[in-house]
Amino acid sequence: KAGVTQTPRYLIKTRGQQVTLSCSPISGHRSVSWYQQTPGQGLQFLFEYFSETQRNKGNFPGRFSGRQFSNSRSEMNVSTLELGDSALYLCASSFSTYYGYTFGSGTRLTVV
Amino acid sequence: EDQVTQSPEALRLQEGESSSLNCSYTVSGLRGLFWYRQDPGKGPEFLFTLYSAGEEKEKERLKATLTKKESFLHITAPKPEDSATYLCAVQVSQGGSEKLVFGKGTKLTVNP
Repeated sequence: KAGVTQTPRYLIKTRGQQVTLSCSPISGHRSVSWYQQTPGQGLQFLFEYFSETQRNKGNFPGRFSGRQFSNSRSEMNVSTLELGDSALYLCASSFSTYYGYTFGSGTRLTVV
Repeated sequence: EDQVTQSPEALRLQEGESSSLNCSYTVSGLRGLFWYRQDPGKGPEFLFTLYSAGEEKEKERLKATLTKKESFLHITAPKPEDSATYLCAVQVSQGGSEKLVFGKGTKLTVNP
């Protein structure tokens, strides 16, 4: 059974650029959540999508956005990158939140 | 505000030396409590979900327990391969859905 796939694994961008990260959930999972992990703040919730609709959003600026496609694949976009956006971005998928979340290996974003 | 605090931040054990990790939480509406293990450069790996006070779950050398205010992850006779960061997360309701609020983790090192 394939797990949650995130691409790319590593990314280096320049301040001011924008970036798009991709997440393919486990087959049959319709909920996809995104988290940002930094050494100082730990894991913080960005947003959650279910059946192409954003159901929940964390306390991040509007530069962070996402979407979900009909096949449940999800993308998140960060515009006007700042140095502080350097982090590991994790995607988690779920069949039902009652049964928990499966995380991908993440995308390591470095902003220079 | 929902908060999750894990202690200690770091723990060094000798192989075979049992110990416990603590996760205390203050949340407005607990839906569940999750334990994850994270290895360097990888996403969190699911270990346990606990839903009600008094509940216990076991997996190999790990046992998780839950009270109304905290959870413990007991590690019995650990081995070097148990070295990892252990993350605790509470599932809370928000905006008609749920999200995970994570603690900062406990970094466990088991020396041979």
